[in-house]
Amino acid sequence: EDKVVQSPLSLVVHEGDTVTLNCSYEVTNFRSLLWYKQEKKAPTFLFMLTSSGIEKKSGRLSSILDKKELFSILNITATQTGDSAIYLCAVKLTAGNKLTFGGGTRVLVKP
Amino acid sequence: GAVVSQHPSRVICKSGTSVKIECRSLDFQATTMFWYRQFPKQSLMLMATSNEGSKATYEQGVEKDKFLINHASLTLSTLTVTSAHPEDSSFYICSALLRGGVGLTDTQYFGPGTRLTVL
Repeated sequence: EDKVVQSPLSLVVHEGDTVTLNCSYEVTNFRSLLWYKQEKKAPTFLFMLTSSGIEKKSGRLSSILDKKELFSILNITATQTGDSAIYLCAVKLTAGNKLTFGGGTRVLVKP
Repeated sequence: GAVVSQHPSRVICKSGTSVKIECRSLDFQATTMFWYRQFPKQSLMLMATSNEGSKATYEQGVEKDKFLINHASLTLSTLTVTSAHPEDSSFYICSALLRGGVGLTDTQYFGPGTRLTVL
């Protein structure tokens, strides 16, 4: 059975701190890994990672994939209160477009 | 960018009634849409894949007679929760698949979700 596991489940930090979120997976026929940010409503897309070792960056957020060790990390530097959200990772397989989501990490950034 | 809407955003109903939720792709055609449910403090769980013009594909453990899916047009899929019970209370989110074309990635765009409360 395909499995996507995120850690930690939740964390609380203060503004300006750096946060590292983990996503590990055990799936057959891996194609890509996606990161989403979910505030009150629908998830919004952050990154899609397909190749190992290539960092993707968007402002204070960055992410990298390790296909040998089967995990990805999402980094947020200089956190702001607006970064408070649930961060979800999902894996897409080679067949079809279904996404298998991890359990999410709830991040709370305090002022 | 691609926009997906859901209606209603929130619904409260009595136990035993049926509730219909709509998912629309507003500026693109989507032959494939997905329905997820999300319990409080949990992740999204895929319920079914909605295919335009054909039957939906349900994930293991999801009752197809309870969660009826109709994808009658290229921009609309509906999920009907039949004979709803309190345990069906959840956040239901749809996504619509925007095809990337030959050699390009297909992308799922999510709707804003529908919060269902069954009393």
